[in-house]
Amino acid sequence: GAVVSQHPSRVICKSGTSVKIECRSLDFQATTMFWYRQFPKQSLMLMATSNEGSKATYEQGVEKDKFLINHASLTLSTLTVTSAHPEDSSFYICSAGLGTGLSGNTIYFGEGSWLTVV
Amino acid sequence: AQKVTQAQTEISVVEKEDVTLDCVYETRDTTYYLFWYKQPPSGELVFLIRRNSFDEQNEISGRYSWNFQKSTSSFNFTITASQVVDSAVYFCALSGAYNFNKFYFGSGTKLNVKP
Repeated sequence: GAVVSQHPSRVICKSGTSVKIECRSLDFQATTMFWYRQFPKQSLMLMATSNEGSKATYEQGVEKDKFLINHASLTLSTLTVTSAHPEDSSFYICSAGLGTGLSGNTIYFGEGSWLTVV
Repeated sequence: AQKVTQAQTEISVVEKEDVTLDCVYETRDTTYYLFWYKQPPSGELVFLIRRNSFDEQNEISGRYSWNFQKSTSSFNFTITASQVVDSAVYFCALSGAYNFNKFYFGSGTKLNVKP
């Protein structure tokens, strides 16, 4: 079964509203999780690194006030798209890793969340 | 800087043909990981392989094989006797020494296998 779970898998929201996507590590604790965005027929681009108990680290060009990330526990990170607009419609996917070194590193991706803003 | 290039945007083959998906990477790290993932239309990423920078041995898993060559910074993926179920987008990815869990993806190659 999935070791990283995302919810919801699909969401449609109205323009101007906010929507929250959850990413949970099911069988392990993750001090760090990662959020990626994938526009249709494009690659996955790293948006931010979610750090448990501290602020997220955003990649260049990603608006931190628009994409709020909260990592309040060792098993849950949330991405909130605030004041969503149609151009935010995308596939959002998270990941979490076990280990940080070369010998024991395993990364797990969530199932992804399709966001459509109408 | 980390960068992955998948020059082939889309490839179409007929079932049972062999097909090779190219991946070229750039990194200044001496220690890094390379990955291949399959993404079907549903969107989830299906893990295929992970290779660390110290292991240049080629690998075969069933109909899949991978050729890792540090001299050319390439990590190519070959599907032998392709099947319709192999149709998907395939991503090559790189993670570096600073944070092995942080991925840099190539642009992906869409593989169409026709019956």
